[in-house]
Amino acid sequence: EPEVTQTPSHQVTQMGQEVILRCVPISNHLYFYWYRQILGQKVEFLVSFYNNEISEKSEIFDDQFSVERPDGSNFTLKIRSTKLEDSAMYFCASKEVGDILPTAYGYTFGSGTRLTVV
Amino acid sequence: DQQVKQNSPSLSVQEGRISILNCDYTNSMFDYFLWYKKYPAEGPTFLISISSIKDKNEDGRFTVFLNKSAKHLSLHIVPSQPGDSAVYFCATEYGNKLVFGAGTILRVKS
Repeated sequence: EPEVTQTPSHQVTQMGQEVILRCVPISNHLYFYWYRQILGQKVEFLVSFYNNEISEKSEIFDDQFSVERPDGSNFTLKIRSTKLEDSAMYFCASKEVGDILPTAYGYTFGSGTRLTVV
Repeated sequence: DQQVKQNSPSLSVQEGRISILNCDYTNSMFDYFLWYKKYPAEGPTFLISISSIKDKNEDGRFTVFLNKSAKHLSLHIVPSQPGDSAVYFCATEYGNKLVFGAGTILRVKS
């Protein structure tokens, strides 16, 4: 079964450093997402990406964050200058469009990257 | 308004008994509700859903009940098994994204 792949599974970084989290979405999916979950809290939407541009972003997704689809397969989340409060699980998701109705059923999540900022 | 709320952070149930996980929502315009299950170090995986035009959806040991007048849904697992121990999130699609509740940690004791 197709899956969303995220690397690395765990990243430790020093405060102020830049990190790039990587995701390979399912190949025929058209919408891509980043979510995060701070320990013990809910899974929060960060950003959605469609047709090579951001389609929606949350208040959390400030200027320190950026996303990119550098080639036909990867989807990356960059945090420019990490803060302690960026420590969380980051989940990438992709959504199939068109064949699955309702669209709410079309999301597939990766296993996540645990980011620890020290 | 896009709030989905799960007010019980954890639930402990004996193996073989029923587990009931609850979720409330604020927007009567939501069309579909989904339950996701999450194990540690894994991403959320889809478990079961319900359309707003129905009041019940059953899939094996899992049943979702929807009470639209109360804006409340619940997930029933019966009989509960130790392998059901996980975090359960209720979610809905708002715009072009999923919105999640805070999750309930279910522990099924053998």
